[in-house]
Amino acid sequence: DAGVIQSPRHEVTEMGQEVTLRCKPISGHNSLFWYRQTMMRGLELLIYFNNNVPIDDSGMPEDRFSAKMPNASFSTLKIQPSEPRDSAVYFCASSFFEGGAETQYFGPGTRLLVL
Amino acid sequence: AQSVAQPEDQVNVAEGNPLTVKCTYSVSGNPYLFWYVQYPNRGLQFLLKYITGDNLVKGSYGFEAEFNKSQTSFHLKKPSALVSDSALYFCAVRDAGGSYIPTFGRGTSLIVHP
Repeated sequence: DAGVIQSPRHEVTEMGQEVTLRCKPISGHNSLFWYRQTMMRGLELLIYFNNNVPIDDSGMPEDRFSAKMPNASFSTLKIQPSEPRDSAVYFCASSFFEGGAETQYFGPGTRLLVL
Repeated sequence: AQSVAQPEDQVNVAEGNPLTVKCTYSVSGNPYLFWYVQYPNRGLQFLLKYITGDNLVKGSYGFEAEFNKSQTSFHLKKPSALVSDSALYFCAVRDAGGSYIPTFGRGTSLIVHP
């Protein structure tokens, strides 16, 4: 299996622009997580999907952030408009939820820089 | 509510010496506990987890962790550190009877000196 795939790996954009991050989870996994990592705040959970349905989006910073999972093999995280404080590494992770101690498999991340 | 603490931002150890990275947790019920490692410019990778049973859990790359219920700890250990073990280590906890989402610690940077 190719693992969790994220694109792009790097993104540089200007403040005010729309940014779309993409994630392909591991085939057969039914849970998907979006995280943001910064030096100041560490690893933050943004949103959690189970069976393509958003279950917990309490970590989404504000209305500028939105996430979708139209099918089991694709998810997007969109920032519109982007701001310099959104600069971070964004990770997608997937797991197979069985109600137990599921292991999360992380993608390589998207490094976002908003100028 | 569930929470996890990694009291050390950084741990320094000489190559060949034993290493310990500390983790304490708080849950209402029984814990599921995890360790992940992050190498530079990479995503987190699973190392090991505790579900139930034997308090000593063995994982990848020679790492092991000891679950201590009375001290609510799950410290990561390795008998002999390698320079290549230098990375960021995350502890995570999930309350078996609570949220389906694990809580991650802030991470501990392990530096192994040659």
